Amino acid sequence: GAGVSQSPSNKVTEKGKDVELRCDPISGHTALYWYRQRLGQGLEFLIYFQGNSAPDKSGLPSDRFSAERTGESVSTLTIQRTQQEDSAVYLCASSQNTGLLETQYFGPGTRLLVL
Amino acid sequence: GESVGLHLPTLSVQEGDNSIINCAYSNSASDYFIWYKQESGKGPQFIIDIRSNMDKRQGQRVTVLLNKTVKHLSLQIAATQPGDSAVYFCAEGYTGANNLFFGTGTRLTVIP
Repeated sequence: GAGVSQSPSNKVTEKGKDVELRCDPISGHTALYWYRQRLGQGLEFLIYFQGNSAPDKSGLPSDRFSAERTGESVSTLTIQRTQQEDSAVYLCASSQNTGLLETQYFGPGTRLLVL
Repeated sequence: GESVGLHLPTLSVQEGDNSIINCAYSNSASDYFIWYKQESGKGPQFIIDIRSNMDKRQGQRVTVLLNKTVKHLSLQIAATQPGDSAVYFCAEGYTGANNLFFGTGTRLTVIP
């Protein structure tokens, strides 16, 4: 079946604009994660969704970042009033159940450049 | 807080040789460890995982070793191929946490 997909693959925006990134997880996967990867660095956890439970937002760096997920399907990550330091690759991953002890499958990422 | 790091940021090996990528972790509560491979322009790809009740696990051409005494994890790749060139990340997690903690990564370059 299809893997995790993300759109857009690349996004260039001007400082101060809002951006919305989309993630389509693998069908049937209840857990969904967003990570941020700055150039040459590891992955930084942002937010976690598990079924209908309240999301774990502990990794969001500021209140400019928010994410939503509709049931067990699509998720959107929104960055308001973008700053240059928001430039990074934003990766989405999904897993079948609780997430931690299940393999996380990653999408290709959205490369965000804030000018 | 958690800290996952790698001893070597870059590694170059000759095609056909074995590669060993090392990783140190600091959280003694971590009970799950994963290695991911990330090729340029792509998302991380799962390679192999290991739980803390094991000290070795083998896959196809890959072996992960876990030494809980010194909090060390390694990934061994046998007969390294050009297609193995990528950045390799170790990640750790623990029961009760919702996310994995990733290291900075090691860039493996295979010389033909």
